[in-house]
Amino acid sequence: AQRVTQPEKLLSVFKGAPVELKCNYSYSGSPELFWYVQYSRQRLQLLLRHISRESIKGFTADLNKGETSFHLKKPFAQEEDSAMYYCALSGSRDDKIIFGKGTRLHILP
Amino acid sequence: DTGVSQDPRHKITKRGQNVTFRCDPISEHNRLYWYRQTLGQGPEFLTYFQNEAQLEKSRLLSDRFSAERPKGSFSTLEIQRTEQGDSAMYLCASSLAMGAPYGYTFGSGTRLTVV
Repeated sequence: AQRVTQPEKLLSVFKGAPVELKCNYSYSGSPELFWYVQYSRQRLQLLLRHISRESIKGFTADLNKGETSFHLKKPFAQEEDSAMYYCALSGSRDDKIIFGKGTRLHILP
Repeated sequence: DTGVSQDPRHKITKRGQNVTFRCDPISEHNRLYWYRQTLGQGPEFLTYFQNEAQLEKSRLLSDRFSAERPKGSFSTLEIQRTEQGDSAMYLCASSLAMGAPYGYTFGSGTRLTVV
């Protein structure tokens, strides 16, 4: 069964400290992995996807197929990073995206 | 084109009433998706269309729910005989065909409250 697990509901990090949001997945195949972000009072938006291997707003994520993980990282947290973050996957043949329950990131001043 | 539009933004209805939501996708996107999000949960897939064809429906979509996309443009989601458990944010998203690997564009959602 397809599943995305985000073990932390809330993560509080001081400004300037490193950030790591954990994501583990279950999928029998080669999924596409994503991170979506929702800032306060804004719509859900794509932050990054593993196929493009890009860095957006200083965030990166590496797909680890052995550990079935796709953790989101940023070396130095900024206050504007406070938001709800969702890890998500879709199968290469199946179009729908499955989301995790999300982690609220709170950057402390 | 300002992105994916959803109407209304908020809907309060009495239990047992029918409600209908509308979604206008990005004009060149031929795939349209409906999701539901409740407090503390991530978005849960309900159904999706490619053009006017409804290609998949989740088991979450009971017989009281129906979605249409009659001309392959806007879509409607109707809930009949609403129940308190239907209270949620209903999200619409669109993408190009085979767009999942490139992500979806979401609307702002319609928040339904059943009293």
